[in-house]
Parts: sequence; structure tokens; C-alpha cells
Amino acid sequence: NAGVTQTPKFQVLKTGQSMTLQCAQDMNHEYMSWYRQDPGMGLRLIHYSVGAGITDQGEVPNGYNVSRSTTEDFPLRLLSAAPSQTSVYFCASSRTSGSDEQFFGPGTRLTVL
Amino acid sequence: AQRVTQPEKLLSVFKGAPVELKCNYSYSGSPELFWYVQYSRQRLQLLLRHISRESIKGFTADLNKGETSFHLKKPFAQEEDSAMYYCALTGGGNKLTFGTGTQLKVEL
Repeated sequence: NAGVTQTPKFQVLKTGQSMTLQCAQDMNHEYMSWYRQDPGMGLRLIHYSVGAGITDQGEVPNGYNVSRSTTEDFPLRLLSAAPSQTSVYFCASSRTSGSDEQFFGPGTRLTVL
Repeated sequence: AQRVTQPEKLLSVFKGAPVELKCNYSYSGSPELFWYVQYSRQRLQLLLRHISRESIKGFTADLNKGETSFHLKKPFAQEEDSAMYYCALTGGGNKLTFGTGTQLKVEL
């Protein structure tokens, strides 16, 4: 099993550009989530999903969209990138909820100029 | 609102010394608490959770509801314990809230 995979590993964007961060898992997990990691701020929840077709907002959802059309995939879309979105983004999955063990991806380092 | 506070950004101890990483939380109901760890060049992973009451790699953590704390302890630090440690909380729902993390450095 590959576990949780994320692409790309690194990305540089200009302000105003849009892009999609990909996340996939092959463990048949129902719960998937996106976090951003910033120095001194830990991990902050952006969006999460409890199953295909169901998504909800986390702590810092503004500027990001998600969808969950399949159990395996949970892409994160930046609609119009801003320098404040420069961060490391982690995708995670678990069996059913935030109470289960979270399995994290390797992260995507995003820089917005 | 649920909140997790880790007051120390960096904790430096000598090998063989006891370790205590502090975690305090704010939550009005019955929380579920976790410690996650990120070793250098590795993925963030679960270390332990309070409901399992396990000792993992010599680490233990006790939930103290009176003091709203979930400190992580190990009696004798090892070099391989050097890592970033995150305390996390969920209220039995789907939002997992992380603290800001403590970098543990074990010196020889």
C-alpha cells in the first residue's frame, strides 16, 4: 500500500494564480482532511470530509475549496493564490473520523510570490 | 471552541534525563487527546492516545481533567526521541485541533 500520497511536493505560484493540490489514499478510509503547517502555529485544519460527497469547513477554510467525488481522492483547490497561503500543506486520512489514528501524507510545500 | 496549548517551542534535555512535554487544553465536554510526532524526514504519525493508556517507546501521558492537561512524559530521554511533538484534541467529532508543537532536542 502506498498509504497517503500528495502531489506535487513543491510548487511556486504567483499571486492570483489558481492550482489544485492532489491527495489520494488507498486504505479505503472514509475520513480525509487537509491541514496547513506554519511556523509557530502548528497544524490548522482547512477542510475535512467524512465520506464521498460530504465535506465541511475546518478552522481556516477561506481561500480554499474541496470536493470528494470518490473515497480515494480529496483535492484541495486554491482559487486565487495569495502570499498568506505560503505554507506546507498536509493531507491526512483515517478510518472514520478525527478520533481515529490519522495517517499523513508527505506534504506539499507551496510558495506564493 | 476547542483549543490546545503547548507552551514550549523548544525543549532541550540531556540523554538519560527525564522528559516532560506540556499540553493543556480547553474544551467544555469530554475530550479525546492524542500525541503525534514528526521525526526528521518522516511523516507525522500517532504516538499515543489517552483512551488506550499505553506506553509507546517509553512515553506515557495521563489525562488530568481537573488541570485540563495531557502532558507527555518519559523517564529517560534517548537521542532518537529528538523530534517535533504535537498534542491534539477532538471532542469526539470530526475536527481535530493541534497545538503549536514542541521541538524536543536530546543532547549527548
